[in-house]
Amino acid sequence: KQEVTQIPAALSVPEGENLVLNCSFTDSAIYNLQWFRQDPGKGLTSLLLIQSSQREQTSGRLNASLDKSSGRSTLYIAASQPGDSATYLCAVRLTSQTGANNLFFGTGTRLTVIP
Amino acid sequence: NAGVTQTPKFRILKIGQSMTLQCTQDMNHNYMYWYRQDPGMGLKLIYYSVGAGITDKGEVPNGYNVSRSTTEDFPLRLELAAPSQTSVYFCASSYAGETQYFGPGTRLLVL
Repeated sequence: KQEVTQIPAALSVPEGENLVLNCSFTDSAIYNLQWFRQDPGKGLTSLLLIQSSQREQTSGRLNASLDKSSGRSTLYIAASQPGDSATYLCAVRLTSQTGANNLFFGTGTRLTVIP
Repeated sequence: NAGVTQTPKFRILKIGQSMTLQCTQDMNHNYMYWYRQDPGMGLKLIYYSVGAGITDKGEVPNGYNVSRSTTEDFPLRLELAAPSQTSVYFCASSYAGETQYFGPGTRLLVL
């Protein structure tokens, strides 16, 4: 069974700082990996999706990397802003489950950017 | 486009009661999903559907049922509510196995 771990569970940084969020997974046979943002009391918003054949994806101040062999992904946020405060979740989709398209989610990292 | 909509936003149930959580998407996605999110835990898949008339169990299906009579709608049914079903429920949709779009969630409290 795929296990997805995100460390740390919570992180506080001053505004303007660059930061890295970590995600690790136990089964390297993934189809893709996705990073989501969740604001309190809200649903999830997809930030970046990395296919298994890709090494990284970028969107604005966000950069996500994928290293399948080591079972790791990182989400890099440049020049953090208070509006970046949210919980960030990573999720992996496996290739091994025929017909299934479910994602295995990590428990998230709650980010607070202090003005 | 409204995206993925869910109703109700919040509901309190008594043990043993039943209810249906509604989910509708207007993006013509073929895949739809139901997840539950417990405090401090990641989302867990309850059921999913790859098209109208086709549903399958996810990781935690016990106590739930689904149907998919149309592309747009994917209701989740709780037959005999139990305190263990207190959670936040999210519906999502996608085209094939690509990016999933989530609804705002339904917060359910079973007392």
